[in-house]
Amino acid sequence: AQTVTQSQPEMSVQEAETVTLSCTYDTSESDYYLFWYKQPPSRQMILVIRQEAYKQQNATENRFSVNFQKAAKSFSLKISDSQLGDAAMYFCASLNAGGTSYGKLTFGQGTILTVHP
Amino acid sequence: SQTIHQWPATLVQPVGSPLSLECTVEGTSNPNLYWYRQAAGRGLQLLFYSIGIGQISSEVPQNLSASRPQDRQFILSSKKLLLSDSGFYLCACATWGGRTDTQYFGPGTRLTVL
Repeated sequence: AQTVTQSQPEMSVQEAETVTLSCTYDTSESDYYLFWYKQPPSRQMILVIRQEAYKQQNATENRFSVNFQKAAKSFSLKISDSQLGDAAMYFCASLNAGGTSYGKLTFGQGTILTVHP
Repeated sequence: SQTIHQWPATLVQPVGSPLSLECTVEGTSNPNLYWYRQAAGRGLQLLFYSIGIGQISSEVPQNLSASRPQDRQFILSSKKLLLSDSGFYLCACATWGGRTDTQYFGPGTRLTVL
């Protein structure tokens, strides 16, 4: 079974600064995907970034980037130049690519990010 | 890209009443569909998933059921609601393509059982 752990229940950052959210995961599969989702106060889950495990290069999406350490099973999210609109709960999630997984995501418990002006 | 609709957006129901939440998807065909519940603003719990019409798999034994009468329609139901059914219900859609499978979420339904 997969597990995803986010050890930081809450984080805060000053506007324009950089913050890193931590995530570790555990899977016995060799082919899997990792995701960060953002949940603002509206509560809709929004995809932030995706990483395929077979790719060594870290994924980036504008101000969002990941540090994917496959051997350590670590997948942290770095937010650069933080903006007030980045304030939200962030979820780390994993998905096994195997045919019997049916694309089921396993989520961490979330990290609440506060951005101070 | 796909668009996911959920309704109602908010629902307040008495204990013991029936429930029907609907999720519809536009912009894709033959998607995998998922129902999640989020309680107390924390982690998401997968309730049901479907890989095709009439094909439903349950992840957690509970008071709820799901159906998929059409390719892009997914319904979450209950015959008699419990207080513990309160929460935020999210529908998600994924389309297998190449080597990626990413779930996109609808806006959710906030259910309060009194």
